[in-house]
Amino acid sequence: AQSVTQLGSHVSVSEGALVLLRCNYSSSVPPYLFWYVQYPNQGLQLLLKYTTGATLVKGINGFEAEFKKSETSFHLTKPSAHMSDAAEYFCAVSEALAGAGSYQLTFGKGTKLSVIP
Amino acid sequence: DVKVTQSSRYLVKRTGEKVFLECVQDMDHENMFWYRQDPGLGLRLIYFSYDVKMKEKGDIPEGYSVSREKKERFSLILESASTNQTSMYLCASRDSNTEAFFGQGTRLTVV
Repeated sequence: AQSVTQLGSHVSVSEGALVLLRCNYSSSVPPYLFWYVQYPNQGLQLLLKYTTGATLVKGINGFEAEFKKSETSFHLTKPSAHMSDAAEYFCAVSEALAGAGSYQLTFGKGTKLSVIP
Repeated sequence: DVKVTQSSRYLVKRTGEKVFLECVQDMDHENMFWYRQDPGLGLRLIYFSYDVKMKEKGDIPEGYSVSREKKERFSLILESASTNQTSMYLCASRDSNTEAFFGQGTRLTVV
């Protein structure tokens, strides 16, 4: 069974500083990996995804993430934080469900990012 | 743009009421999901459906049921609402192993 661990339920950075949100996963097969962002009282919006190919993926709003198979990690980074980045971020892993013809999408518990002016 | 629409943003219901949460998607996706979101617990899967009239239990199905009579619509039913079902409910749809698209969420309060 797959699982996702996000280290740090709450991260604070200064405006202009590097953002690093950590995600580790466990999966029995090569996974598809996703980062989502959620603003207050909103649904989740896709930031970026890794399926196959290049291990460094770029997303919206200047975010990027690197898939490291040896470390089973998919950490999210942004070189310079902006006030508008304050939100909750979720890492997710997708894996085929045996016999069901479908794919399970499992989420981490989320990391709330605060940006200090 | 893919649209996933949840019928209500906010709902207040009384203990013991039967509650219906409706979700409609417009992209002909095979798979639809209902999640519950609580602070510190992330998103937990209640039920999902990979085809019309098909349903599978997720991690926390107790106290809930679902209905999928048409491909575009996936309903979550609370048979007898209880205060511990006060939460944010998120519907999502996806096509095979692609990204999921989410609705805006329904914040349900059971009093």
